This record gives sequence, C-alpha cells and structure tokens, in this order.
Amino acid sequence: SQQGEEDPQALSIQEGENATMNCSYKTSINNLQWYRQNSGRGLVHLILIRSNEREKHSGRLRVTLDTSKKSSSLLITASRAADTASYFCATDSFSGGYNKLIFGAGTRLAVHP
Amino acid sequence: NAGVTQTPKFRVLKTGQSMTLLCAQDMNHEYMYWYRQDPGMGLRLIHYSVGEGTTAKGEVPDGYNVSRLKKQNFLLGLESAAPSQTSVYFCASSYFSPPNTEAFFGQGTRLTVV
Repeated sequence: SQQGEEDPQALSIQEGENATMNCSYKTSINNLQWYRQNSGRGLVHLILIRSNEREKHSGRLRVTLDTSKKSSSLLITASRAADTASYFCATDSFSGGYNKLIFGAGTRLAVHP
Repeated sequence: NAGVTQTPKFRVLKTGQSMTLLCAQDMNHEYMYWYRQDPGMGLRLIHYSVGEGTTAKGEVPDGYNVSRLKKQNFLLGLESAAPSQTSVYFCASSYFSPPNTEAFFGQGTRLTVV
C-alpha cells in the first residue's frame, strides 16, 4: 500500500497564481521528499524536509511538514506555465531490514498562460 | 553527466516473451531501485538493491526478477511477459539509504505487452 497520498489529484490554475498540493502519510517518517515529473520524463528531486523541520524554502517552493497530522504541503508561488507537471511526495518505509522510498499517486498541475 | 541511463526506451512484447531492462548509473551510488508507473497509481516499487550483489523485494515484485552483479548496473527481468505488465518502468539510484538523500531517476522505459 502507498505510504503517501497527494491531494488534490489534479489542479488547474492561471499563471501568476499560487499552487498548493498536500500529502498525507500513514506511518512515522524520518524525512519527506517532493519530486516533479514533466510529461514523459523521469522524476526530478525538488526538496527534502526532515522530520524535525517544520518549513523549508527553495526558490519559489515552500514545503511544510506537520508530523502530528502526518501531512506535508508544497506551495509553488507565482506559478509559471513551465511549472506544469506532476508532483509527488515520497516517504521512507522500513521493512525487510531496509529503508525504501515510497511514492504517492501524485498531483497533476496545469498552469495556463 | 550521464546520471541514470535506462535501456531500451520503448519496447513492445508479445505475451509470454521475456526481456531484460538495463539500468546503469555513473554516480557510484549504493542504492538502486526499479519502479513501475501506471495511470492513477503513482510509482510502485518492484525491487531494489542496497549494494552490489544484493537485491530485495518491493511492493509489487511478482513476475519480475532482478540482478545487481556490478555496482553500476541493475537489471530488471520479465521471464514471461503478461499484459498486466504494460507500464512505464523507472530506475532510480541514491548514494545513501532513503530517506537521507535524494534519488536520481532515469528517463523511463515504456513497455507494452500485447
């Protein structure tokens, strides 16, 4: 079963608007990561937030983490058409003696000029 | 900077045929992973490796086998392809154990089983 689940499944906004995507997870984590996938391409790492951090910034990206609610959000400010992509959260899952990276189903973001 | 390279990029198989997908990374990463991506399902972990000579099962390992004979290569095999294995396959690698480091992804292999 998937550890992280994103919400909403799809988001459509105009250029210049902010986009917020949410991720909920089921079990305790050490860190949480966000990835981006352009259509037909592989995933690209955006940001990693540790379980003892509450907020992290990278350029126009802002990620928050609330471990008490087992949730994270990704905010993209002043969105651009080039931000159109799918965004995934990924969390660690420990089983079989090893940590693994487990992804959610993703949020499809469409930014219209 | 090659990063993670997957071969082939596209493939069409007939039911029952076998094939091997190759993943190569040039970053000296210890950890390597194979995921499959299906519409609405996100990425699901098939198998992974924590170092040369090691392999372990992920979420959906049935119908697949893997080998990591060399540190830089991680092979995914389908012994007898089924239409349910039609998917986009992604290989990824990371230097440390997740979640302590980012994973680098290949460009994907689109496999169709007819």
